[in-house]
Amino acid sequence: QKEVEQNSGPLSVPEGAIASLNCTYSDRVSQSFFWYRQYSGKSPELIMSIYSNGDKEDGRFTAQLNKASQYVSLLIRDSQPSDSATYLCAVNSYYGNNRLAFGKGNQVVVIP
Amino acid sequence: EAGVTQSPTHLIKTRGQQATLRCSPISGHTSVYWYQQALGLGLQFLLWYDEGEERNRGNFPPRFSGRQFPNYSSELNVNALELEDSALYLCASSLGLAGVSGANVLTFGAGSRLTVL
Repeated sequence: QKEVEQNSGPLSVPEGAIASLNCTYSDRVSQSFFWYRQYSGKSPELIMSIYSNGDKEDGRFTAQLNKASQYVSLLIRDSQPSDSATYLCAVNSYYGNNRLAFGKGNQVVVIP
Repeated sequence: EAGVTQSPTHLIKTRGQQATLRCSPISGHTSVYWYQQALGLGLQFLLWYDEGEERNRGNFPPRFSGRQFPNYSSELNVNALELEDSALYLCASSLGLAGVSGANVLTFGAGSRLTVL
């Protein structure tokens, strides 16, 4: 089993709709969870971090964490064409010696 | 405040040569991480340095090596280059050890694209 899995293929959403991205992880002692956005040809940039179970909202973005199910998700509300990018889920385990493992990413395309 | 800076932006080498990539972290950050992003493979963890020491290493052969200097800058060396080493190499920095607030938040540089012919 991969450390961090993002299995969905490219996601196309109409402008103004909600984009939903999912991520599962294998290390039960993982402590820190992140979503990065990467535009084509650019480096990843942090958009959300979440450390405890539940929801965390930041503007149009909501991260959801369920440690019992080893599942973290990202919702993008009122999707804009500027949200078109690849979204990377990243998970850190304190006992993994501070190594941040990334999923392969989900490409989101917002259609005007 | 300057971000994470990497050089060179692009590097073209031939098989068997050596490549050296450099990274300067954000001021105040002591940890430097190296990741490889090859086409279709996502970000693969290479190396983590903190306070001049190698703290963790990913599943890469020994010809991938590096070091961190007293000013916390770092370099990644790839010896005996192979075609499959062609990738974007990303450096990231963060505050120090795990358990410190913000320690696990990585800020990435723009990357160095290595092409091996």
